[in-house]
Amino acid sequence: AQTVTQSQPEMSVQEAETVTLSCTYDTSESDYYLFWYKQPPSRQMILVIRQEAYKQQNATENRFSVNFQKAAKSFSLKISDSQLGDAAMYFCAYRNNDMRFGAGTRLTVKP
Amino acid sequence: GAVVSQHPSRVICKSGTSVKIECRSLDFQATTMFWYRQFPKQSLMLMATSNEGSKATYEQGVEKDKFLINHASLTLSTLTVTSAHPEDSSFYICSARDLVTGDPYNEQFFGPGTRLTVL
Repeated sequence: AQTVTQSQPEMSVQEAETVTLSCTYDTSESDYYLFWYKQPPSRQMILVIRQEAYKQQNATENRFSVNFQKAAKSFSLKISDSQLGDAAMYFCAYRNNDMRFGAGTRLTVKP
Repeated sequence: GAVVSQHPSRVICKSGTSVKIECRSLDFQATTMFWYRQFPKQSLMLMATSNEGSKATYEQGVEKDKFLINHASLTLSTLTVTSAHPEDSSFYICSARDLVTGDPYNEQFFGPGTRLTVL
């Protein structure tokens, strides 16, 4: 079974600074998708960024970028120029047929 | 992006009663829907996967007789918690995948969730 591990229960960043959230996963599949979701207090899941496993180029969405290391099964999220609105729970997710989530990282942004 | 709705957003019921939660894809056809459960300060745990017109596939440890899932149309799936007990109190989130748009990611869209409290 696939597992997703987020080793940082909580992270904190100063406004305008950069923070990196870690994620590792375990799978025997070669083709899959990886995602980062943001869950604010409303608990609505919001897609932040996504990556296809067969693409070597790291995905980027404005201030959000990933470092995808397929051989190491690592998928970290970098948030640049952090904003107060970035404060939320962040979940890393793996999808082959269905989507599985890591335990989450609570990000706090300090003004 | 596509919209997934859930109803109700909050429900309080007495122990022993049954509660039905609806999940609808509003502007796309969802051949596959997923039901997740999230306890406070925890992650989303997949409960079951439902395909339109067929029986749901339940994750290990999820009682299919307790959590009845029906996916009768391409836009509606329901989760019924039967004989609810306080330990069933949780946040239930549905998710739907659109397989028609040609989006190579086949993005999965999430509903806003339903908070169930069993007294």
